[in-house]
Amino acid sequence: DAKTTQPNSMESNEEEPVHLPCNHSTISGTDYIHWYRQLPSQGPEYVIHGLTSNVNNRMASLAIAEDRKSSTLILHRATLRDAAVYYCILRDPNNNDMRFGAGTRLTVKP
Amino acid sequence: EPEVTQTPSHQVTQMGQEVILRCVPISNHLYFYWYRQILGQKVEFLVSFYNNEISEKSEIFDDQFSVERPDGSNFTLKIRSTKLEDSAMYFCASSRDGRYNEQFFGPGTRLTVL
Repeated sequence: DAKTTQPNSMESNEEEPVHLPCNHSTISGTDYIHWYRQLPSQGPEYVIHGLTSNVNNRMASLAIAEDRKSSTLILHRATLRDAAVYYCILRDPNNNDMRFGAGTRLTVKP
Repeated sequence: EPEVTQTPSHQVTQMGQEVILRCVPISNHLYFYWYRQILGQKVEFLVSFYNNEISEKSEIFDDQFSVERPDGSNFTLKIRSTKLEDSAMYFCASSRDGRYNEQFFGPGTRLTVL
């Protein structure tokens, strides 16, 4: 099933940075690292993805370890709206499916 | 901003009945997907669809399930004879490309089987 390992839950204070870790020690050379999140009572929402280099977009940053065996999703300033389950997913370019794990439940405290 | 829509938002059915869940993907997208999420559990991939045929399916997607793109806009999931354990949120998603592009998810249909 899912080939990633994430903490079950994390807490953050509002307006502080959050670093969400993901281990993927069996990643293959062609797997992309994708992050999605699921806000309460909503469908999953794309956050960011990368292959080898660090990536930034308007929502977050993705830091990928040099050996690609781990990555970190960085929310620069958490807001209450960022409270969600965050999923780290490896995507094999030879397959057209996407397998979710249990993710990390992020709680943001005011 | 374009979005994926799903109808109905909530469907209640009796065990053994057929249900059809409907989705309208984003108009210029080419890849379509169904996922389900049983209450309190993880999101599970069911099937992906491209060029009018199934490209991948999971072990959950057995003969009770089928998908169809009956016209240029709708994408449907049919469950032939519902079971109690089919009760879940069903999410439709679409993407412009298959393997690398982000998938856009709809708000889901809650299916309750009595």
